[in-house]
Amino acid sequence: AQKVTQAQTEISVVEKEDVTLDCVYETRDTTYYLFWYKQPPSGELVFLIRRNSFDEQNEISGRYSWNFQKSTSSFNFTITASQVVDSAVYFCALSDNTDKLIFGTGTRLQVFP
Amino acid sequence: KAGVTQTPRYLIKTRGQQVTLSCSPISGHRSVSWYQQTPGQGLQFLFEYFSETQRNKGNFPGRFSGRQFSNSRSEMNVSTLELGDSALYLCASSAGATNEKLFFGSGTQLSVL
Repeated sequence: AQKVTQAQTEISVVEKEDVTLDCVYETRDTTYYLFWYKQPPSGELVFLIRRNSFDEQNEISGRYSWNFQKSTSSFNFTITASQVVDSAVYFCALSDNTDKLIFGTGTRLQVFP
Repeated sequence: KAGVTQTPRYLIKTRGQQVTLSCSPISGHRSVSWYQQTPGQGLQFLFEYFSETQRNKGNFPGRFSGRQFSNSRSEMNVSTLELGDSALYLCASSAGATNEKLFFGSGTQLSVL
């Protein structure tokens, strides 16, 4: 069965700190896709990244980086030098052969000035 | 390019009533998905429509239904409302292939009294 676990419910940091959001997933399929979305207070989820199960290369985009490790079924997200505008709820999600996008419970990140 | 538009933004209903929510996808997008977001259950997949056909369905009772029109606009309907249906209902669109990134609207906040 599909499952996404985000064990961190809430994280608080001070601006300029680095922060890592954890995501652990479960699926029986060998082909699957992993996503991260950000939900600011406005409510609209914003796509951040998509990774397929065959591409284990880590990715960096500006202050954001993602670490995909199939061996531990994890897809962690790191924000370097966090800013107040990064405050939001971050969701990890999984889509496998069911084609249903299953979300984790989210991690609320608060960045204080 | 206009984003995903959901109307209305807020809705208050009483138990037993029915409600219809509307979603206009990004121009050119043929897939529309619906999600329910609650503090207790998180983000849950309701259903997905592609070219006016339901392509995928989550585990919700038959009181929840949807449809898609030829212009890709979608509506979802909830009949015989229950208190537990109070939630943020999010619509998302994509070009159409499965496992693509989704573009979300700001949602309709439904309160059932």
